[in-house]
Amino acid sequence: DTGVSQDPRHKITKRGQNVTFRCDPISEHNRLYWYRQTLGQGPEFLTYFQNEAQLEKSRLLSDRFSAERPKGSFSTLEIQRTEQGDSAMYLCASSGTGAPWREETQYFGPGTRLLVL
Amino acid sequence: EDQVTQSPEALRLQEGESSSLNCSYTVSGLRGLFWYRQDPGKGPEFLFTLYSAGEEKEKERLKATLTKKESFLHITAPKPEDSATYLCAVQANDYKLSFGAGTTVTVRA
Repeated sequence: DTGVSQDPRHKITKRGQNVTFRCDPISEHNRLYWYRQTLGQGPEFLTYFQNEAQLEKSRLLSDRFSAERPKGSFSTLEIQRTEQGDSAMYLCASSGTGAPWREETQYFGPGTRLLVL
Repeated sequence: EDQVTQSPEALRLQEGESSSLNCSYTVSGLRGLFWYRQDPGKGPEFLFTLYSAGEEKEKERLKATLTKKESFLHITAPKPEDSATYLCAVQANDYKLSFGAGTTVTVRA
């Protein structure tokens, strides 16, 4: 078990550019989550997948954000036309092994830190 | 909407000085309350899950407890390596976590 991995770890972009982040969950996990964290705050939920189906999206997620999990394995999060307010740490987590509901601990990756200039 | 409030925002301790962190929550149908540790620039690291009032869990110098309205994370005889931000989160009737803003703990040698 190598844990949740994210790529890239850091991204600097100019306002208006598109960026894409990748998340590889723990291999046996079927649920995958994206969160955003700004300085001094806790992570904030963005969206989650069960296998390849996107089951919930936060109302805070604007139309410029899109996430996919095409084969129920890795996931990508794309931000189009980035704005300075998008600067944050983007965290991915995974959970779920088919065990009873109580076993839904989410394990987080190291995050991708985005800076929009 | 689920609400999680953590206090204090920051805590400075001398090595060996025990203390407690508080997490107050408002949620419809608590499924689980989670504690994570986060080091600067890294993702949250799972510590504990608590499911029902009265439950307690321990790991090394950390002990988490749960009531119907709040959870406490007790740090006994902390060491400098316990310095981190401690995050509390609740899980309700869906799978997403709602986090508090965290308590940043600094332990001086």
